Amino acid sequence: DTGVSQDPRHKITKRGQNVTFRCDPISEHNRLYWYRQTLGQGPEFLTYFQNEAQLEKSRLLSDRFSAERPKGSFSTLEIQRTEQGDSAMYLCASSSRDRGLYEQYFGPGTRLTVT
Amino acid sequence: GEDVEQSLFLSVREGDSSVINCTYTDSSSTYLYWYKQEPGAGLQLLTYIFSNMDMKQDQRLTVLLNKKDKHLSLRIADTQTGDSAIYFCAETVYNTDKLIFGTGTRLQVFP
Repeated sequence: DTGVSQDPRHKITKRGQNVTFRCDPISEHNRLYWYRQTLGQGPEFLTYFQNEAQLEKSRLLSDRFSAERPKGSFSTLEIQRTEQGDSAMYLCASSSRDRGLYEQYFGPGTRLTVT
Repeated sequence: GEDVEQSLFLSVREGDSSVINCTYTDSSSTYLYWYKQEPGAGLQLLTYIFSNMDMKQDQRLTVLLNKKDKHLSLRIADTQTGDSAIYFCAETVYNTDKLIFGTGTRLQVFP
């Protein structure tokens, strides 16, 4: 078990460009979560999936943000028309509620810088 | 509403015990968690406690939960320099899986 992986680890983009991040959860974990962490703050929930279904979305997830998990395995988070306020660390986590476990395991994150 | 608060800093001498405190507002909390974050790294799950428990011990870590006061603490025995990090308290509430995090407590351990 290699843990949750995220790609890329760092992304620098110009304002107005689109970016896409990928998350690969721990194998057989059916739940996948996205969080955003800005400097000096705790992570804030964005959205989560059970298998392919997106179960909950935060108000933080504006129209410019979209997340998918098409086959119930990896997930992508896309930000369109990036703004400087989108600069943050984007964290992915996974868990397996089927086994009655309540632990979310986090990946290393993707640090986005919008210039 | 959902709010989790922590003090910002804690400084302790190596070998002493550290106690990191957290308060939360939502009475429908189901699980409460402690995560550790080292510089430039992701979040490492340290331990968690179900809301109907009042204590959990795991090696050097002791979690105490006072549900009446909505207060959670993490005690680290024999604190080492490798324990220097930011510690986040988090909760999940009834009917949702999302974690609600505090702002984190930066623990500094000096020799």
